[in-house]
Amino acid sequence: AQKVTQAQTEISVVEKEDVTLDCVYETRDTTYYLFWYKQPPSGELVFLIRRNSFDEQNEISGRYSWNFQKSTSSFNFTITASQVVDSAVYFCALRPDILTGGGNKLTFGTGTQLKVEL
Amino acid sequence: EAGVAQSPRYKIIEKRQSVAFWCNPISGHATLYWYQQILGQGPKLLIQFQNNGVVDDSQLPKDRFSAERLKGVDSTLKIQPAKLEDSAVYLCASSLVDREQYFGPGTRLTVT
Repeated sequence: AQKVTQAQTEISVVEKEDVTLDCVYETRDTTYYLFWYKQPPSGELVFLIRRNSFDEQNEISGRYSWNFQKSTSSFNFTITASQVVDSAVYFCALRPDILTGGGNKLTFGTGTQLKVEL
Repeated sequence: EAGVAQSPRYKIIEKRQSVAFWCNPISGHATLYWYQQILGQGPKLLIQFQNNGVVDDSQLPKDRFSAERLKGVDSTLKIQPAKLEDSAVYLCASSLVDREQYFGPGTRLTVT
């Protein structure tokens, strides 16, 4: 069975602070994919990143960065110099490798509500 | 490129009534998904289509929920009869095979 845990229910920061959102996952698969999605108040889930389990390199995209550590089954997301527009619910998700017969089914965590205040 | 379209955006019905939601995926995306997102939770997959065929409907409450994807493009999700616990946001997503999923704006259903 697959499971994603986002222990932080809600985080509040002041604009320009850095913030890290934690994600811990469980899977028996040797190959899998990890994702982060953003859900602003409008409700639409916005794709942020997809990471293959074979690729443990950290990734940076503008103010966003992701730290994948297979040894601790974690895929944490950091926003540098946060802005009010970053306020949203962020979801981490896990998917088995389609070649193992797992289809393309995403297992989501419960999300972390990020509030960035002036 | 147009995103995933869904309608209606909001729906309020009484319990035991029926309701239908519509989804139009991104052009060229063979895979279509319906998710249910209850307040405070992550989305839960209800059904996945690959073209016209069902890939996974293991978490679809088949006694009251049904879905179809005629001609491998648009899809409709129906609930009949609705229960109070069906109040949620229903999200449609689409993807190329083995690629990331792109979500629509969702339909917020309130059952009273």
